[in-house]
Amino acid sequence: DQQVKQNSPSLSVQEGRISILNCDYTNSMFDYFLWYKKYPAEGPTFLISISSIKDKNEDGRFTVFLNKSAKHLSLHIVPSQPGDSAVYFCAATYVSSYGKLTFGQGTILTVHP
Amino acid sequence: GAVVSQHPSRVICKSGTSVKIECRSLDFQATTMFWYRQFPKQSLMLMATSNEGSKATYEQGVEKDKFLINHASLTLSTLTVTSAHPEDSSFYICSASPPGGNTEAFFGQGTRLTVV
Repeated sequence: DQQVKQNSPSLSVQEGRISILNCDYTNSMFDYFLWYKKYPAEGPTFLISISSIKDKNEDGRFTVFLNKSAKHLSLHIVPSQPGDSAVYFCAATYVSSYGKLTFGQGTILTVHP
Repeated sequence: GAVVSQHPSRVICKSGTSVKIECRSLDFQATTMFWYRQFPKQSLMLMATSNEGSKATYEQGVEKDKFLINHASLTLSTLTVTSAHPEDSSFYICSASPPGGNTEAFFGQGTRLTVV
């Protein structure tokens, strides 16, 4: 049972444009959501997170939006840069879980110069 | 952010042998660490929760006798793949969160295990 889903395996964007990565979840008990960036043969790197009490969190070029009623979150990257090309994972957890994460399948983002 | 170090980054072993992977939190103490496994082009799947001073908690379908976890100190957890077989070849990653109820997990660099 895939509790966190990223339905787009890949996304291709032109440099300078906006990248939008989507994520859906089914478990309404999740109350904290995170986005990670990952390169092959490396561990994931934390990007940004959001608590379920918020609907938006922004950090520089990265903004995460949460729609609890739809059980949907998205990561916006603007402007996109070639260095953003990587696999992006959405993850969900409970505040009391001390970092135990459930991951989506990942979306490969390619930003073209 | 906090630093989690994993060693080795890659290892090749023969079928039937055992391999130990170390995960260290370098600048914080972690009573709980997590071990994940990633198959090619797939998601990271939680294998087990490593608890300092007590037994690890394994996810459904993960063989506890094959994947031995020891959390001997507040900064070190080890995963030993026993009697490795080619199907155990995968990318293994550990994570830990700084104390304080923080849900942000920091990951090690990962270990690429190849069993030949």
